Amino acid sequence: GESVGLHLPTLSVQEGDNSIINCAYSNSASDYFIWYKQESGKGPQFIIDIRSNMDKRQGQRVTVLLNKTVKHLSLQIAATQPGDSAVYFCAESGGYQKVTFGTGTKLQVIP
Amino acid sequence: DAGVTQSPTHLIKTRGQQVTLRCSPKSGHDTVSWYQQALGQGPQFIFQYYEEEERQRGNFPDRFSGHQFPNYSSELNVNALLLGDSALYLCASSAALEVEQYFGPGTRLTVT
Repeated sequence: GESVGLHLPTLSVQEGDNSIINCAYSNSASDYFIWYKQESGKGPQFIIDIRSNMDKRQGQRVTVLLNKTVKHLSLQIAATQPGDSAVYFCAESGGYQKVTFGTGTKLQVIP
Repeated sequence: DAGVTQSPTHLIKTRGQQVTLRCSPKSGHDTVSWYQQALGQGPQFIFQYYEEEERQRGNFPDRFSGHQFPNYSSELNVNALLLGDSALYLCASSAALEVEQYFGPGTRLTVT
């Protein structure tokens, strides 16, 4: 079935460096992609989203890139901080706001 | 604005029992979705309620049912609990026609 998955389960980054978290999706009909951050003991928190008619979108310290040709999504975090340590999920949304999550990547920031 | 709230925070049940989890959406939101998140996994969509009706459903058995009230709050009911139902149950709310969902902190259910 359709799924959204991640390449790396754990990513360790030095504080101040940039982080890149990758994601592959399989549903070519997906038209909306979201990145969520989940800290321990909390629900997922919306970070940034991108529609399928775009290939790049920037937020505060974060950038999402979408490559529909290879069904690839990435999240770039600039100047990674200790507070960025969390599990990051990419997700896909079709109609009626149903969201399909991947398995997640744990980001560890080394002080 | 209190955001999305869920109760209880933690719950321990025995196999075969039934459980009810509750969710209050963020102010101004009328759509509620429920997700199950097993340890180390991403959330899995259970179902979504809008205008007091189930609008979409994921791949979950009929043991999982829900309800939405006129004030948009929602309940998730699980019957005949199995050990495999142990998970974090997340509620997310959104406004109609808006894609962005706001998640609550979840209810941790343990089935023994």
